[in-house]
Amino acid sequence: GNSVTQMEGPVTLSEEAFLTINCTYTATGYPSLFWYVQYPGEGLQLLLKATKADDKGSNKGFEATYRKETTSFHLEKGSVQVSDSAVYFCALSDREGGTSYGKLTFGQGTILTVHP
Amino acid sequence: EAGVTQFPSHSVIEKGQTVTLRCDPISGHDNLYWYRRVMGKEIKFLLHFVKESKQDESGMPNNRFLAERTGGTYSTLKVQPAELEDSGVYFCASSGMRAGRAFFGQGTRLTVV
Repeated sequence: GNSVTQMEGPVTLSEEAFLTINCTYTATGYPSLFWYVQYPGEGLQLLLKATKADDKGSNKGFEATYRKETTSFHLEKGSVQVSDSAVYFCALSDREGGTSYGKLTFGQGTILTVHP
Repeated sequence: EAGVTQFPSHSVIEKGQTVTLRCDPISGHDNLYWYRRVMGKEIKFLLHFVKESKQDESGMPNNRFLAERTGGTYSTLKVQPAELEDSGVYFCASSGMRAGRAFFGQGTRLTVV
C-alpha cells in the first residue's frame, strides 16, 4: 500500500533560518505529491504540488522537487518568517484514471515554530 | 465563492452517545471525502463520495460510523455509539471532476470523554 514518512518534529527555528522538512514515500504506480499546511485555527491548505518526476512545486517561497529516484519530496524555504509557523503535511495521491486527485495518503505532520 | 464548511467546529460528548458531523462541500463539487486525524498522527482517509454514491469506504474504521450524502450535496458522518478512541479531528474535502487538488474544511474536533 501507499505510505508517506515525514521527518519527526517539532522543528523550531529563528526567523530567516533555512528550512528543510524531509518527506519520502512508497507508492504503487505514479503518484502526485503535495504539501499541505495548517495554520493555527485554520483548515488544511494546499501549499504546493508536483505531478511528475523532476517537477518543482513552489509557493510563498517554499519549494519541493519530485525525486522519483529517491522517492522523496522534501520541503525547503530559504528564509522562514514567524508567519510560517504551522503544521506541514506531505501527501500523495494515486492517479485514478485521470479524474480527481482527492484521495490522499498523508504523513504524520511536522510542527514548525519560528521565533523572532 | 464559499469554501468547504464543517459543523460543528468542536464537539465534546460522552462515551456511548451519538454525534453527527456535517460537511458542506464547494458548490458543484461531485467528489466529497472524509478524513480523520487521531492523536497528532497522520491524517487518514475514511471514505469518498461521488455525488450521492459511496465510491470508496475502505477507510471506515467499523460499523459505528455511518456516512451519508443524500442528494449529492452536503454529507453527514454519524458516530454511534462513540468510543474514546474516536476522538480526533475530522476533516472533509471536496473536489471537482477535473480538479488537480482537493479543498479542505477547517475540521471538526471531536472529544469523547
